[in-house]
Amino acid sequence: DIQMTQSPSTLSASVGDRVTITCRASQSINGWLAWYQQKPGKAPNLLIYKASSLESGVPSRFSGSGSGTEFTLTISSLQPDDFVTYFCQQYNSSPYTFGQGTKLEIK
Amino acid sequence: EVQLVQSGAEVKKPGESLKISCEISGNSLRKYWIAWLRQMPGKGLEWVGLIYPGDSDTRYSPSFQGQVSFSFDKSISTAYLQWRSLEASDTAMYFCARYDTAMAFDRWGQGTLVTVSS
Repeated sequence: DIQMTQSPSTLSASVGDRVTITCRASQSINGWLAWYQQKPGKAPNLLIYKASSLESGVPSRFSGSGSGTEFTLTISSLQPDDFVTYFCQQYNSSPYTFGQGTKLEIK
Repeated sequence: EVQLVQSGAEVKKPGESLKISCEISGNSLRKYWIAWLRQMPGKGLEWVGLIYPGDSDTRYSPSFQGQVSFSFDKSISTAYLQWRSLEASDTAMYFCARYDTAMAFDRWGQGTLVTVSS
């Protein structure tokens, strides 16, 4: 199985800050990486697919980059609604696996 | 716009069987798979497996193989996740999601909370 390691597990920041979350795969995933946002008690919501493609309707302050085994999700200017949890996920090969999540907290 | 609507919360005892559902509406499923995912309380996401509505082809995560089964009723565009004998460790939120090979899990159901307790 491909292991996905996400860091940090918790990130403290302020409204307006620029933040970056990192996801490392245990082997190359050929860019097949997605990022999701999950609000408490809700289903995850797709933000980014194929490492850097923005899902329709997602604000442009979210961006993804990376290749090989290292990927990042950047939020350019945090809004109050962004202080929730984020997951990365590889879909290069089955079983499809997720990072353990990053909880974004207000500083 | 595609929508996935899941059945309501369930409370069961260990050893009981259960079938939860995910009704898909609004768009053709011809090129999509339907996935099931688990989220245990306070934990991350785990992929349970996939079913292809066109021919009910299934793929299971090795971690869940033999523990659950999937089915799909084309007449009502509904996917099912089934257990023959529940255990307390099955307590979790279960999500269905549309899987696109290029876009991953791009649409999600609202989740079904399954609680297994004696």
